[in-house]
Amino acid sequence: GNSVTQMEGPVTLSEEAFLTINCTYTATGYPSLFWYVQYPGEGLQLLLKATKADDKGSNKGFEATYRKETTSFHLEKGSVQVSDSAVYFCAYHFNKFYFGSGTKLNVKP
Amino acid sequence: DTEVTQTPKHLVMGMTNKKSLKCEQHMGHRAMYWYKQKAKKPPELMFVYSYEKLSINESVPSRFSPECPNSSLLNLHLHALQPEDSALYLCASSQDTLAGGSTDTQYFGPGTRLTVL
Repeated sequence: GNSVTQMEGPVTLSEEAFLTINCTYTATGYPSLFWYVQYPGEGLQLLLKATKADDKGSNKGFEATYRKETTSFHLEKGSVQVSDSAVYFCAYHFNKFYFGSGTKLNVKP
Repeated sequence: DTEVTQTPKHLVMGMTNKKSLKCEQHMGHRAMYWYKQKAKKPPELMFVYSYEKLSINESVPSRFSPECPNSSLLNLHLHALQPEDSALYLCASSQDTLAGGSTDTQYFGPGTRLTVL
């Protein structure tokens, strides 16, 4: 069936550390892939997207590459900031949106 | 502008009350969605409207009643809710329905934090 699997959180990092949040998906066909971010008390904001294999989405220093061969869309950032502390959701849509369970990121000064 | 607005931001209601949540977008999007999000969980789809018609109801109890008065507005009418319905209710919109192969993006509002006493 259709599903998205994200790494379990919380992930705790020091400021300026490298971030990777793993995401793999099971889907019919080749869906568009998304990362959304949710700050405390807020709705979901689109962080980045990729619509076809080998596409790289990027925004605010975050990047993710659509890997068809490994059905993955891992989120990376070279140097995290305290302000990046939030919950990150991997998602794809194919007739409806499928969300991962979310990964909470805590960045300490 | 990619803004979806929702009112109210917070709502507290008793189990016998009737209240409504409102959502608005001015992006010309033709698909609108209601999601329910419990703490530390991803959003769960409740309803989808496509071109002002209800296209998906994810087996939501009848105490939740959606309405789409026009292409920019989406309401969720609440009646006789239970404490377990307390959650963050998110509205979203997209240019068109997310048919297979679509590259469309869904934009979310900030949500209404609902507490049922």
